Amino acid sequence: DTAVSQTPKYLVTQMGNDKSIKCEQNLGHDTMYWYKQDSKKFLKIMFSYNNKELIINETVPNRFSPKSPDKAHLNLHINSLELGDSAVYFCASSQGSFGNQPQHFGDGTRLSIL
Amino acid sequence: GENVEQHPSTLSVQEGDSAVIKCTYSDSASNYFPWYKQELGKRPQLIIDIRSNVGEKKDQRIAVTLNKTAKHFSLHITETQPEDSAVYFCAARSHSNSNSGYALNFGKGTSLLVTP
Repeated sequence: DTAVSQTPKYLVTQMGNDKSIKCEQNLGHDTMYWYKQDSKKFLKIMFSYNNKELIINETVPNRFSPKSPDKAHLNLHINSLELGDSAVYFCASSQGSFGNQPQHFGDGTRLSIL
Repeated sequence: GENVEQHPSTLSVQEGDSAVIKCTYSDSASNYFPWYKQELGKRPQLIIDIRSNVGEKKDQRIAVTLNKTAKHFSLHITETQPEDSAVYFCAARSHSNSNSGYALNFGKGTSLLVTP
């Protein structure tokens, strides 16, 4: 019954590897997001998709590539992982594309780079 | 782009007291202001939100006020309980810096501790 589900919950890997995080929402929302929460708990938007179309791409290294196969799924692939990528990555979803509706967050993926 | 400032960064109150967290924003076009509660190791959860056509909104022990002229909004928690202990984030919705979409810009969070 989880509304926004992310996998995996934990990801421990070495520098230089490539990894993916998956997100799915069953709320029927049009828009999905990726956020990064660093060690200081700062929540920062990375990407947003509306009906499979990229609408927000903040200043994020191009090693990060989001993909939305349909409006219920938004995945995040990260190439050549670096130490600074260690963080919790949250997926979220909301109705509409104007950013003025409540966002529902997944449980997060804790990424640790060794 | 939008800049959201949140104060204080930490707040400690005794059970039963009130807690107030304040945020300011810079973009006068912002019109949606949600508050999220994040318990340790958990996801952020929406607790209350307010839109720019309203000055105040209440939900049981939680209230939010908005002053559009001064560009600040506040979260008020009355009769605090130990389970209110968490990190609270304010946010303001504005046009994305780089693209065509709208983004939530979050404050840096307030760590609230309610002691019995």
